[in-house]
Amino acid sequence: DTEVTQTPKHLVMGMTNKKSLKCEQHMGHRAMYWYKQKAKKPPELMFVYSYEKLSINESVPSRFSPECPNSSLLNLHLHALQPEDSALYLCASSQVSISNQPQHFGDGTRLSIL
Amino acid sequence: KQEVTQIPAALSVPEGENLVLNCSFTDSAIYNLQWFRQDPGKGLTSLLLIQSSQREQTSGRLNASLDKSSGRSTLYIAASQPGDSATYLCAVPHGSGNTGKLIFGQGTTLQVKP
Repeated sequence: DTEVTQTPKHLVMGMTNKKSLKCEQHMGHRAMYWYKQKAKKPPELMFVYSYEKLSINESVPSRFSPECPNSSLLNLHLHALQPEDSALYLCASSQVSISNQPQHFGDGTRLSIL
Repeated sequence: KQEVTQIPAALSVPEGENLVLNCSFTDSAIYNLQWFRQDPGKGLTSLLLIQSSQREQTSGRLNASLDKSSGRSTLYIAASQPGDSATYLCAVPHGSGNTGKLIFGQGTTLQVKP
C-alpha cells in the first residue's frame, strides 16, 4: 500500500466541468509534487510545493490550479480542460524539496476528458 | 541541457535470468541518480538512490551502479521473477538539485516470462 493517497482513482469529466484531485500524505514530508503522465511516457513535473509555498510552476496552463491547504494535503483544481489533458496525474512527496531525498508517489488519478 | 536515455525500451527474459538495465546521462555533474519501478496504472516506487559519491547501492536482488565519468548507471536484477515485470525508470536531478525536479529517462519495460 502506498503512503501517498490520491482520490479519486478515476475521473471522467466534460470540458466545461470543474473538478478537483486530492492528495494526502502523513509522513511529515514538507515537499509535495504534481506530475502528469501520458501513456508510455515518463512523468512530467507540473508543480512543486515546499513548506506549503509554490516553488515551481512548470509553465502549466491556468486551467490547472494547485492548492496546498496544509503540509499534508495537496489539491489540483481543474477547469475547462481539453481532451489532450487526459492522462494519469501523479502526486508525490519527499522530506524536503532537494533531490537527494527519494520521492514517494501515489497511485495516481486516471483523468479522461470527454 | 541534461538528457537521460534508457536502452533497451523493452526487454523480455525467461524467469531465473540475471539481467541488466541501462541508463545514460549527458551531463556528468549529477548529485545522485534514482531508479524507480512503475507497475501498469500505478505510481512510481523508488527502488534505489545512489549519491554522487557512491559507486553502487544494493537492495535484495537489485544492485545499481553509478559511473559519473562515463555518464552511466546500470540496474542489475538477479534471478528474475515474473513479479519483476514492470517499467523501470531512472532519473537525475535537474540543475543544482535543490528544487526536487527530476529528469526521467523514457523507461525500460521488462517482461519476465514464467
